[in-house]
Amino acid sequence: DTGVSQNPRHKITKRGQNVTFRCDPISEHNRLYWYRQTLGQGPEFLTYFQNEAQLEKSRLLSDRFSAERPKGSFSTLEIQRTEQGDSAMYLCASSLAQGGPIAYEQYFGPGTRLTVT
Amino acid sequence: DQQVKQNSPSLSVQEGRISILNCDYTNSMFDYFLWYKKYPAEGPTFLISISSIKDKNEDGRFTVFLNKSAKHLSLHIVPSQPGDSAVYFCVGGSEKLVFGKGTKLTVNP
Repeated sequence: DTGVSQNPRHKITKRGQNVTFRCDPISEHNRLYWYRQTLGQGPEFLTYFQNEAQLEKSRLLSDRFSAERPKGSFSTLEIQRTEQGDSAMYLCASSLAQGGPIAYEQYFGPGTRLTVT
Repeated sequence: DQQVKQNSPSLSVQEGRISILNCDYTNSMFDYFLWYKKYPAEGPTFLISISSIKDKNEDGRFTVFLNKSAKHLSLHIVPSQPGDSAVYFCVGGSEKLVFGKGTKLTVNP
């Protein structure tokens, strides 16, 4: 399977705990994105990487959120001191940007559903 | 502010008929627009796109129309099939994607 994979698929945690999600992009893709989707909404952009460099972060990404992409391959998204409002589907996507700022089609993984109790 | 608006949360059509999904946008800086389809428990999958300098793009049963003066685009599916039943997201694209809230399409046999 050469698609985008995410682990775990589901995570239930208690408020105040830290959680970490992993995304493995399509191997030749140099861009990796994180989105969050809540009920009744479309995915909302959180952050993206080009190779290992984090190029943009949304204002939705509070100080409790941190993302990394060491070596420009897989990425992790960590949420510290989780709150009930963090409950959402966290989606990862990857794409291939060739020389310009725009990378058109993004390929999405199945997402990690986080429930904070 | 909502840069991409899908005002119809749901749409129901009969198999074989045309499905028309509509979308309005406020950000004139989008370089292109896309439609993504999402089935339950799966991530969104790319369906079709259109450059902001075009007014129509067609791919099989799917056609996207862009009216820049009205800041409006639409997705036409002809003929509609039961397997098309999914949530469809209208998306504005530049360096990142901006999604609408989605329209749930149900195609009845």
